[in-house]
Amino acid sequence: EVQLLESGGGLVQPGGSLRLSCAASGFTFSSYAMSWVRQAPGKGLEWVSAISGSGGSTYYADSVRGRFTISRDNSKNTLSLQMNSPRAEDTAVYYCAKFQAAVGSTLEPFDYWGQGTLVTVSS
Amino acid sequence: EIVLTQSPGSLSLSPGERATLSCRASQSVNSIYLAWYQQRPDQAPRLLISATSSRATDIPDRFSGSGSGTDFTLTISRLEPEDFAVYYCQQYGPAGLTFGGGTKVEIK
Repeated sequence: EVQLLESGGGLVQPGGSLRLSCAASGFTFSSYAMSWVRQAPGKGLEWVSAISGSGGSTYYADSVRGRFTISRDNSKNTLSLQMNSPRAEDTAVYYCAKFQAAVGSTLEPFDYWGQGTLVTVSS
Repeated sequence: EIVLTQSPGSLSLSPGERATLSCRASQSVNSIYLAWYQQRPDQAPRLLISATSSRATDIPDRFSGSGSGTDFTLTISRLEPEDFAVYYCQQYGPAGLTFGGGTKVEIK
């Protein structure tokens, strides 16, 4: 059974830093591209970042490029999102999501999602 | 960036009725790159449809997708109580990943 379990959310001050993690199980982690998607309170879904199966290619939304860094450790089946210089508008539930096909590509829908971790950016 | 506009923003229907949800793209989307998700309150999104019309695993056949170019539709043929939720379209093509703003299907 595929499981994605996010952790690391919490309260962070504007300009601070926070690291989110996603522990994956139930599939061959290194074969799949992975992504972070966020949802501000009461709002819709916003794609944040993605990474190829090997970790060699990374992609970012314009809203976070240069501030957030996605990475993965295939030996530990873990996906991470380093959030630097967060802003109030980064407040959201952050979901870890798995791309559907085992080709490491991001040209796929998300077939599994974690339950999310809440990040609140406030002083 | 391809902008997806969903309409209506909300839909008030009774169980057993048909729901028709629209997703319009700001530029043409290859139909293999269009998906629909369902999100129930306090739950993560769930994949319903990929490649415009392919139902995901364990999705009942009352859900169907259609469309091409810039206009796509999700149809729920007969609403069940568990179908009252928010629905999002997504395009995942080479131009980048974007979601529509969502359509909330409410019980009338």
